Amino acid sequence: QTVVTQEPSFSVSPGGTVTLTCALSSGSVSTNSYPSWYQQTPGQAPRTLIYSTNTRSSGVPDRFSGSILGNKAALTITGAQADDESDYYCLMYLGSGIYVFGGGTKLTVL
Amino acid sequence: EVQLLESGGGLVQPGGSLRLSCAASGFTFSNYAMTWVRQAPGKGLEWVSGFSVSGSTYYADSVKGRFTISRDNSKNTLYLQMNSLRAEDMAVYYCAKGAVGGTYYHGVDVWGQGTTVTVSS
Repeated sequence: QTVVTQEPSFSVSPGGTVTLTCALSSGSVSTNSYPSWYQQTPGQAPRTLIYSTNTRSSGVPDRFSGSILGNKAALTITGAQADDESDYYCLMYLGSGIYVFGGGTKLTVL
Repeated sequence: EVQLLESGGGLVQPGGSLRLSCAASGFTFSNYAMTWVRQAPGKGLEWVSGFSVSGSTYYADSVKGRFTISRDNSKNTLYLQMNSLRAEDMAVYYCAKGAVGGTYYHGVDVWGQGTTVTVSS
């Protein structure tokens, strides 16, 4: 069974840049994994940031960007702000109709 | 404005059944894949099931054989029939809209507010 792994936690200073990653246990992430990224604050529904590797969802500021870095999917936040402090989840398409979420990264801005 | 509104959650005993609904508006429902995602208390997101535009259905191993996803394009509504419920099915259930029309695999872009399923005797 394929597992999707994210950093459990990360910290960034206000105004700083942070890159969160998402790896597959079964091999390398590619554009055919169609990685997408979601932001969630406690008690709220998730919000879509990025889909299809690097397409920003409607209304998402351009300081959020998605890419493939090496064999992982990556979400980069530039100019981090206090309200970026959230949980971030990646979602990978494994093929045959199956998706898997990563375990999530808790981002702290301090 | 694109909106998704889930309903049907509630308290059910182990072994019981529930049917969740997701009413969609603001987009051409039949042109988009739809997905159910759940989140157990204090846990991360879990993909549960998907329904493609072509009519194919897909399930996580954890729910296969117990849950059934369906859609009524005439009513712009997605459903999740949940049978043989277990304590580990207790979660907030979200429906979500496919990010790219006509395709299934690009992830999702719009989420509902969620409906809570509690499984307890």
